[in-house]
Amino acid sequence: NAGVTQTPKFQVLKTGQSMTLQCAQDMNHNSMYWYRQDPGMGLRLIYYSASEGTTDKGEVPNGYNVSRLNKREFSLRLESAAPSQTSVYFCASSDYSWVDGYTFGSGTRLTVV
Amino acid sequence: GENVEQHPSTLSVQEGDSAVIKCTYSDSASNYFPWYKQELGKRPQLIIDIRSNVGEKKDQRIAVTLNKTAKHFSLHITETQPEDSAVYFCAASTSYDKVIFGPGTSLSVIP
Repeated sequence: NAGVTQTPKFQVLKTGQSMTLQCAQDMNHNSMYWYRQDPGMGLRLIYYSASEGTTDKGEVPNGYNVSRLNKREFSLRLESAAPSQTSVYFCASSDYSWVDGYTFGSGTRLTVV
Repeated sequence: GENVEQHPSTLSVQEGDSAVIKCTYSDSASNYFPWYKQELGKRPQLIIDIRSNVGEKKDQRIAVTLNKTAKHFSLHITETQPEDSAVYFCAASTSYDKVIFGPGTSLSVIP
């Protein structure tokens, strides 16, 4: 089992460019999440999808959009990247039992110049 | 919405000593409190969690306590080892649909 797979691992964007971060899980989890991690601020929730076909805003949704393509895949899109979006992005998934909590992907380090 | 605070932000202990990290939360409806450990350059991993119907839970050298009245919970690590060095995040959740994290505690265990 691969668990949660994120692509790409690293990315450098110019201000104003767009990109999509991809996330896929093979654990048949119902819920998926996108967090960003900045020094001293912990992990902040951007968007989440409690089940296939639904998405909801988290703590810091501005500047982002998401798509729950199917049960396995949950993508995060930056339409017009800004330097403030320089961060490490983590995708995570969980099932309804929460026995194992979140399973995180390995992260995407994004730099916007 | 939920807000989770965590103290201290950094903590250094001698190997073999105990470490305590404290967190508070704001939403009295929160009912699930996980703790995650993140080693340098790696993804966060769940180390222990506690649900609102219990006051304490132990797993070998780690334990968590929960005081719902005061809305705070703590992580206790005994007999610390160098491999315990990492960033630890507390978190809180209502209805198990999303988790809000604290800002993290960087723990250094000095051999």
